Amino acid sequence: EADIYQTPRYLVIGTGKKITLECSQTMGHDKMYWYQQDPGMELHLIHYSYGVNSTEKGDLSSESTVSRIRTEHFPLTLESARPSHTSQYLCASRSGQETQYFGPGTRLLVL
Amino acid sequence: GESVGLHLPTLSVQEGDNSIINCAYSNSASDYFIWYKQESGKGPQFIIDIRSNMDKRQGQRVTVLLNKTVKHLSLQIAATQPGDSAVYFCAETGGSNYKLTFGKGTLLTVNP
Repeated sequence: EADIYQTPRYLVIGTGKKITLECSQTMGHDKMYWYQQDPGMELHLIHYSYGVNSTEKGDLSSESTVSRIRTEHFPLTLESARPSHTSQYLCASRSGQETQYFGPGTRLLVL
Repeated sequence: GESVGLHLPTLSVQEGDNSIINCAYSNSASDYFIWYKQESGKGPQFIIDIRSNMDKRQGQRVTVLLNKTVKHLSLQIAATQPGDSAVYFCAETGGSNYKLTFGKGTLLTVNP
C-alpha cells in the first residue's frame, strides 16, 4: 500500500480563483510528479521534481506551478482557475529507479 | 477540460477467460517496466514490474512478458474476473533517470 495522499479529492470552484492541490508522501521518496488526466484518456506529465528545491516542466504545457520545499510535500498551484483546467490531477512519487506510486487523485471542476 | 490525445483501445473478455494486454515501447535504453491498473475515479495502482535482465515475471494471476528484441511488453491475466475491469497502463524508464514514459492505456472490460 502506497503512502501518498492528495487533498482535496474533489474540488468545484469558480473561474478566477486561486487553488492549491496538496500532495504528500511519507515514503521518503526523492522524486515526485504531477500528471493531468481527462476521463478515459492518457496520463500527461505536467511537473516533476527530483529533490528538494528542484522543479521541472513536464511533457504537457500547464499554467500551473509547483514547489518542493520539503521532501514529503509537492503542492500544485493554479493562480487563476479557468474551465479549461477542469481535469483529474494525479500526484506520484518514486525512489531512485524503483516503482512509482500514485495518489488517489484530485478531480477539479472549474465553473 | 480540453482533451489531449486519443481515446483508449479496448479489450472485452468473458469472465474466466485469460486476458492479454500488449504494449509496444520505442526506447531500447529502457531498463525497467511497470504495469498499472486504474479503476474509474482512482489513481493508477501498481500491478507488477520487470527489469530488462528478465523476460518473464509472475505474480498472483498476472504474468508480464518482455521481448526486448521487438520492444514489446505484455500483461497476461489468468481467469479474468469482473473486478479486473479497468484501464491498464504500461510504463518504461525510456532511458531517463527521472521520469517514466507511459503508454496510452487499454480499457479491459470483463463480461459476466
